[in-house]
Amino acid sequence: EIVLAQSPGTLSLSPGERATLSCRASQRIDSSYLSWYQQKPGQAPRLLIYSASSRATALSDRFSGSGPGSGTDFTLTISRLQPEDSAVYFCQHYGDSLYTFGQGTNLEIK
Amino acid sequence: EVQLVESGGGLVRPGESLRLSCAASGFTLTTSWMTWVRQSPGRGLEWVATIERRESDKHYVASVEGRFTISRDNAQNSLSLQMNSLRGEDTAVYYCARGGSWGSLDLWGQGTLVTVSA
Repeated sequence: EIVLAQSPGTLSLSPGERATLSCRASQRIDSSYLSWYQQKPGQAPRLLIYSASSRATALSDRFSGSGPGSGTDFTLTISRLQPEDSAVYFCQHYGDSLYTFGQGTNLEIK
Repeated sequence: EVQLVESGGGLVRPGESLRLSCAASGFTLTTSWMTWVRQSPGRGLEWVATIERRESDKHYVASVEGRFTISRDNAQNSLSLQMNSLRGEDTAVYYCARGGSWGSLDLWGQGTLVTVSA
């Protein structure tokens, strides 16, 4: 079973800065099946990125995802941070008929 | 409006049963894979079950296999999760979600809280 480890656990940045969030898989995965979500307090997760780098409909281009076609290290980058970007961000993989989530990175905007 | 709305959560004792529902609007459930995901403070986000477009194709996380059943009511355009023999570790907010492109989950309900406690 694939395990996704996210780092850092908490990231505290200022408005206007850039956030770099990491998701590391316990074994090589096909980036086609790697997604990212944003979750704000009291809300459901919201899809941001699928297939490692494709933005969900109407998502701001401040959000971008990257990673190898097949590999273990994937990144979510949020540029020009805004206060409303404060949230927990999760990566997720689909494979062999099951979904796996990372434990999340808590992004705080100071 | 395209949305999912869950209902049916509550407080139950260990060993009891509960049935969650998820009403879909703005799209037809039969055209999508549908999934239940749960979230608890101690276990984070955890996939629970998926039903594919073909109703006979269902998948479960090992910890609920044999206790939970995912199903779809095409006439009502709703998804259900029948949960039997509930345990304390099943306590969580349960979300229904629609399968999107390439294994993503592109639409989520607001969640319903299930608490299993004596």
